[in-house]
Amino acid sequence: EAGVTQFPSHSVIEKGQTVTLRCDPISGHDNLYWYRRVMGKEIKFLLHFVKESKQDESGMPNNRFLAERTGGTYSTLKVQPAELEDSGVYFCASSQDGRYGEAFFGQGTRLTVV
Amino acid sequence: ILNVEQSPQSLHVQEGDSTNFTCSFPSSNFYALHWYRWETAKSPEALFVMTLNGDEKKKGRISATLNTKEGYSYLYIKGSQPEDSATYLCAFKRDSNYQLIWGAGTKLIIKP
Repeated sequence: EAGVTQFPSHSVIEKGQTVTLRCDPISGHDNLYWYRRVMGKEIKFLLHFVKESKQDESGMPNNRFLAERTGGTYSTLKVQPAELEDSGVYFCASSQDGRYGEAFFGQGTRLTVV
Repeated sequence: ILNVEQSPQSLHVQEGDSTNFTCSFPSSNFYALHWYRWETAKSPEALFVMTLNGDEKKKGRISATLNTKEGYSYLYIKGSQPEDSATYLCAFKRDSNYQLIWGAGTKLIIKP
């Protein structure tokens, strides 16, 4: 069974540009989460989808971040325009059971904004 | 503000030695505590989900304990091996509808 896959694995963009990250969850997992880790700091929750609906987007830092999950399958996270402080590793995770939150993670996308 | 603290931040351990580190979390409104193991450039891997006070879980040489009344969990590694080198993350969930709140991790380096 394929795990959670994220694309790209690395992205280097200039300040002001747009980047779109993609996450393919494990098939059949209704719950999809986006997280971000800035180097040396704790992982921060961004948002949680249940199927195609946003269950909780309280962690989205500002309106430069837009997440979608059309059809309840893969998800995209767009940053537009990117700022220097957006640099970090963006993780996607999926789970069958959203209550306990035990989730399977992708390998992350390392975003560097220069 | 809900904080999850992990200590130490990093740890160097001689191969073969045993070690442990701590995750502290708010002792009120506890629902679950997760431990993950994360090697750089790989996916964080779930180790344990702990839900009951006094829980003890074990996977091979790694075990964890939970004290929800005082708000801490210990992760133990017995007989450390080089492949144990990773960042160990804990995450706290205060109720079923709330997201995970993460600690910053303990980076473990095993010296051969």
